[in-house]
Amino acid sequence: QQQVKQSPQSLIVQKGGIPIINCAYENTAFDYFPWYQQFPGKGPALLIAIRPDVSEKKEGRFTISFNKSAKQFSLHIMDSQPGDSATYFCAASQMGSARQLTFGSGTQLTVLP
Amino acid sequence: DAGVTQSPTHLIKTRGQQVTLRCSPKSGHDTVSWYQQALGQGPQFIFQYYEEEERQRGNFPDRFSGHQFPNYSSELNVNALLLGDSALYLCASNPTGGTEAFFGQGTRLTVV
Repeated sequence: QQQVKQSPQSLIVQKGGIPIINCAYENTAFDYFPWYQQFPGKGPALLIAIRPDVSEKKEGRFTISFNKSAKQFSLHIMDSQPGDSATYFCAASQMGSARQLTFGSGTQLTVLP
Repeated sequence: DAGVTQSPTHLIKTRGQQVTLRCSPKSGHDTVSWYQQALGQGPQFIFQYYEEEERQRGNFPDRFSGHQFPNYSSELNVNALLLGDSALYLCASNPTGGTEAFFGQGTRLTVV
């Protein structure tokens, strides 16, 4: 019940394309859903996060879509660039659990020039 | 703002040895969490420290222990190292009651 399932495992798009990464969860107590970007040899960097009371959030070229009834959320990267090539992780946390993050398995994104 | 800093960046240990990893949280943050990230996987929660006490623990054996100091910095100790402990160990910090977790660059531990 604590799992967050992420797909696809890897994704290749052309520059300017819109990669979409999907995550699904079971624990309805989760109330905070961040996305992290990780480059090789670096720690994860917080990109954008959403709470279940909104269906969409945009920050720059990154958009989270959230479907509470389906218990799914996704990350869209508009006008993708080669510099966006990295591994992306979705995560979830809940109150009362010290806000520990439960991560998905990651998506390795490659944006071709 | 220096962000979350971890030391050392890389470490090689022999099976059965003990290791200590260190973390300084982001300025203004008093809560520190440790995660283990195996190659090709997402980070797994080890434990969290707040007010110098372990507040929450993930599914890790007692060989993994920690400490938080009055200045909010933290240490992760792993005893009786196993080959399977080879991973990137990440420290994350939050402000009190805050939801956003900021990660350090990690310590790459290799057990041989």
